[in-house]
Amino acid sequence: GAVVSQHPSWVICKSGTSVKIECRSLDFQATTMFWYRQFPKQSLMLMATSNEGSKATYEQGVEKDKFLINHASLTLSTLTVTSAHPEDSSFYICSARDRDLDNSPLHFGNGTRLTVT
Amino acid sequence: RKEVEQDPGPFNVPEGATVAFNCTYSNSASQSFFWYRQDCRKEPKLLMSVYSSGNEDGRFTAQLNRASQYISLLIRDSKLSDSATYLCVVRRPGYNKLIFGAGTRLAVHP
Repeated sequence: GAVVSQHPSWVICKSGTSVKIECRSLDFQATTMFWYRQFPKQSLMLMATSNEGSKATYEQGVEKDKFLINHASLTLSTLTVTSAHPEDSSFYICSARDRDLDNSPLHFGNGTRLTVT
Repeated sequence: RKEVEQDPGPFNVPEGATVAFNCTYSNSASQSFFWYRQDCRKEPKLLMSVYSSGNEDGRFTAQLNRASQYISLLIRDSKLSDSATYLCVVRRPGYNKLIFGAGTRLAVHP
C-alpha cells in the first residue's frame, strides 16, 4: 500500500535553532502534501498545503516565515521550523495523496515529535 | 464554533459492549467524511469513509445525516484493541484539505 515516510520521528533542539522535517511519498507521486500540528489532547490542526513547484498555502494564523515549506519534487516536501521556541514543541504530521488515483485517501507520515528546550 | 465537533469522552466500556460516537460539522458544503483512528503518540489511520447511504465494515458502522450535518460511528462487540481516539474528519469543499475533530477517546476494559 501507499506509504509516506517522515523523518525524523523525534527531535530535541535548543531554543533559537532551526529544525527540518522531511516528508516523502515512497511509492506514489504527490503534487500536494499537507502539514498538520497536534498539541497534546487536541485535534490535528492544518498548518499549510505544500504545492510541488510553487509556494505553499498557509492557514490563517500560521507564520509562513517561521514555518518554511519546500516541495521541490513530486515525492518530497520539507517543513523547517525556524528559530524554534518551547511553544513550538508539538507533534508534526505530514500527509499526501496519490495524484494518479481519483478519490484516493490521504496517507499520513508517522509524525515527528519536536521538543524545544 | 469549531468546524468539526466531537464529544471528547472518554468512553469507558467493557469488552463486548456496543458504543456509538457522534460528530457534527458546520460547513454544509462539505464533500467527504471519514473516521480515522489514532493511537497514543501515533499518526492517524483511516478507519472508514462515510457514505450517504451508511456503510458497514465488520463491527463498524458509519452513518451520515447531511440535513442535520451529523456523522456517527457505531462499534459492536468492542475489543480491547479498539481502545484509541476516534477522529471525525471532513473534507472542505473544493479542496483536498481534511479538517479533523478533536477526537473521542475510547477505553475498552476487560
